[in-house]
Amino acid sequence: LAKTTQPISMDSYEGQEVNITCSHNNIATNDYITWYQQFPSQGPRFIIQGYKTKVTNEVASLFIPADRKSSTLSLPRVSLSDTAVYYCLVGLALNQGGKLIFGQGTELSVKP
Amino acid sequence: SQTIHQWPATLVQPVGSPLSLECTVEGTSNPNLYWYRQAAGRGLQLLFYSVGIGQISSEVPQNLSASRPQDRQFILSSKKLLLSDSGFYLCAWSTGAMTNTEAFFGQGTRLTVV
Repeated sequence: LAKTTQPISMDSYEGQEVNITCSHNNIATNDYITWYQQFPSQGPRFIIQGYKTKVTNEVASLFIPADRKSSTLSLPRVSLSDTAVYYCLVGLALNQGGKLIFGQGTELSVKP
Repeated sequence: SQTIHQWPATLVQPVGSPLSLECTVEGTSNPNLYWYRQAAGRGLQLLFYSVGIGQISSEVPQNLSASRPQDRQFILSSKKLLLSDSGFYLCAWSTGAMTNTEAFFGQGTRLTVV
């Protein structure tokens, strides 16, 4: 399984764009890159998934360079409610034998 | 729509007592089911996963076991709890019908072994 490395913590202010970068140097050909968000005392929630290039949904964007050895989750105009832990995961699709393996995540703190 | 139910929300159990946590999923069939544990701080540890009734894969050797007696029911058990079993237990499900990495988590059970 590909190992992921992401910052332990980040601080931001309301209204700013936040970019969290994840390194996954040994990503395999069939691996997907996925980001989850977790609030205290709740289960993680899926944010976005990508394979290559850029993916955007109503919540975030995911930028993946051509070599796929890293990825960046971009949260536009964060608010206080975006304070949470963000996990970067790399692995096969779940219906192809993949399992969600969570690392330590990045604790994002959004300040007023 | 699909929903996942996990109970109880909190539990305090003495060392050496048994444990049974139940998770049920509604609104889907033949889901993949997972049990995770999150100790103090971050990092979720995958404990068990199941792709069908009676099919359980264990990720780490431990004091726990899992069973899937029905398609949408996943049970986490222990015969004798240890202090180290304390943590936040999360059940999750995913569909086997789509090629994605999205799983849906329950609200979790906070277990304190005393």
